[in-house]
Amino acid sequence: QQPVQSPQAVILREGEDAVINCSSSKALYSVHWYRQKHGEAPVFLMILLKGGEQKGHEKISASFNEKKQQSSLYLTASQLSYSGTYFCGTDPKAAGNKLTFGGGTRVLVKP
Amino acid sequence: GAVVSQHPSWVICKSGTSVKIECRSLDFQATTMFWYRQFPKQSLMLMATSNEGSKATYEQGVEKDKFLINHASLTLSTLTVTSAHPEDSSFYICSARPGRANVLTFGAGSRLTVL
Repeated sequence: QQPVQSPQAVILREGEDAVINCSSSKALYSVHWYRQKHGEAPVFLMILLKGGEQKGHEKISASFNEKKQQSSLYLTASQLSYSGTYFCGTDPKAAGNKLTFGGGTRVLVKP
Repeated sequence: GAVVSQHPSWVICKSGTSVKIECRSLDFQATTMFWYRQFPKQSLMLMATSNEGSKATYEQGVEKDKFLINHASLTLSTLTVTSAHPEDSSFYICSARPGRANVLTFGAGSRLTVL
């Protein structure tokens, strides 16, 4: 079942913050976040496995709620390089290896 | 880091012809590879799971006879789009897991245009 991502698109000025949400109707084993630039393959950002977990790299971070049904990706003090489409990929099974991706959130960071 | 190589990057073909896309894991072995399809401005849709030495597992709605998958070695999986039609035009991306972690590394993708 495809997770629901919101918003579908967001336009930011450089330095502004944004939040992207990813929701599932069922508890998940893990949530993955990827970023895809136009015409390129998706690039892995991070994976969350535990309820209540938060992690980040530089100014991009993510959280996984306690019930493991929702994850949020936080873009802080956005940079031009953050532009792209962000996808969450969800894995509903403990031993599963198939990711189902959300519809994507297109992010455009303007100078 | 782990690299997944995909070839060709793009291909244009006539309707009715077959096209083969290769996916290679360059510095790791992949017993399983995943093939995704992405239409413009849409999400990545899993088509099939390629299993080394055995038959591929197709997602619901994906025609096995149209999208032939062969995983002949631990580093190579191929997707053949048979009798391609314009509606098959899409971005096809393969992926694999380099390690125990359930993290996918994607190939650069292959853009298929069927005239």
